[in-house]
Amino acid sequence: NIVLTQSPASLAVSLGQRATISCRASESVDSYGNSFMHWYQQKPGQPPKLLIYLASNLESGVPARFSGSGSRTDFTLTIDPVEADDAATYYCQQNNEDPLYTFGGGTKLEIK
Amino acid sequence: DVQLQESGPGLVKPSQSLSLTCTVTGYSITSDYAWNWIRQFPGNKLEWMGYISYSGSTSYNPSLKSRISITRDTSKNQFFLQLNSVTTEDTATYYCARNYYGSSYMWFAYWGQGTLVTVSA
Repeated sequence: NIVLTQSPASLAVSLGQRATISCRASESVDSYGNSFMHWYQQKPGQPPKLLIYLASNLESGVPARFSGSGSRTDFTLTIDPVEADDAATYYCQQNNEDPLYTFGGGTKLEIK
Repeated sequence: DVQLQESGPGLVKPSQSLSLTCTVTGYSITSDYAWNWIRQFPGNKLEWMGYISYSGSTSYNPSLKSRISITRDTSKNQFFLQLNSVTTEDTATYYCARNYYGSSYMWFAYWGQGTLVTVSA
């Protein structure tokens, strides 16, 4: 199965600055011209919320401060500029391996 | 807008079966999409468990394949999770979720609020 490793496990970013979260896959998640990597935000007591799909597509209603990039095995979620409401845990997820869709271990973002 | 809501016992004894219901409102589960179960362990690791598609076909995480069953009641617009022979390692928050599009685009746009199931004697 494809293992997703997120880094860092936690980070603290000052209000208005940029936050960068990395997700590395143990093998390529690219197929048919797409990167099957997605990003979620989860706040305590809530389910995950889809932010980015297919590596770089912003889900409807998600602020443009969020962006995704990458291909094959290396992916990045960027939040710029960070706002207080962005304090949460962020997860990557792949669905290139069927039927074993896996999630990364999460990155906890603190806003300073 | 589609909404999903999990329900079921919050406490299950080891070796017994865990049974949960997901009630869907705002969309028929027989029209389209894949209807999933995903769990989150203490410590926050997320695990996709399986789905039942709009046509009734199922797909399961190979690590659970011998213990899991996902079924549905189309008259009540509900789908169900049964996990057999549970251990304390199955203690988790269980979510039902709908995928993004069709039955192939397997990322998750709609989630229930989740239900905590504790496995303990």
